Amino acid sequence: ETGVTQTPRHLVMGMTNKKSLKCEQHLGHNAMYWYKQSAKKPLELMFVYNFKEQTENNSVPSRFSPECPNSSHLFLHLHTLQPEDSALYLCASSQDPRDEQFFGPGTRLTVL
Amino acid sequence: AQKVTQAQTEISVVEKEDVTLDCVYETRDTTYYLFWYKQPPSGELVFLIRRNSFDEQNEISGRYSWNFQKSTSSFNFTITASQVVDSAVYFCALKGPGGGGADGLTFGKGTHLIIQP
Repeated sequence: ETGVTQTPRHLVMGMTNKKSLKCEQHLGHNAMYWYKQSAKKPLELMFVYNFKEQTENNSVPSRFSPECPNSSHLFLHLHTLQPEDSALYLCASSQDPRDEQFFGPGTRLTVL
Repeated sequence: AQKVTQAQTEISVVEKEDVTLDCVYETRDTTYYLFWYKQPPSGELVFLIRRNSFDEQNEISGRYSWNFQKSTSSFNFTITASQVVDSAVYFCALKGPGGGGADGLTFGKGTHLIIQP
């Protein structure tokens, strides 16, 4: 595997379910990011991790819970989501927060 | 606060035409970084270019060229002799110097470019 991978690529869940999105980067980068892309809004930053430490939380509701066990892996734990949370969730990584970010293919999430 | 404006929601041209995608940004930072990304129908964002605020030199890469002008806070992207494979949504993005909880990208709303054969 090369670059940034995300699993699953598609996810359908009910509002009472608990699920997790996984992101893995094979680029040796130190920073990782979660973004949300919905039809009604531009790409929005959700979380930033640098050297496994969260450095930014863009006022994201607590039903989204990130986890970064090491510099190569990033998770987004989901629970009691709302239909308006349906979106494409994109993971990215960069060598340093000042550098260009490389994106994964995204997880298309549908909340019923 | 940072802001990126891509006023062109959708552009449609015929193959081989030249097309320019506009990007205007707002920031109070003196050091910042500008980016262009391409999002084809597959959904994955593809990095195209990064520009530092202290480097106003324009850049050309094959059929792609970028015009960075600090005086007008613009970072426009031109595709010469467009091809059908250039059809995608193109995003302009801005990032500050980093640190202090400002490490993410601020994106514009994107321009949907359609190249007709």
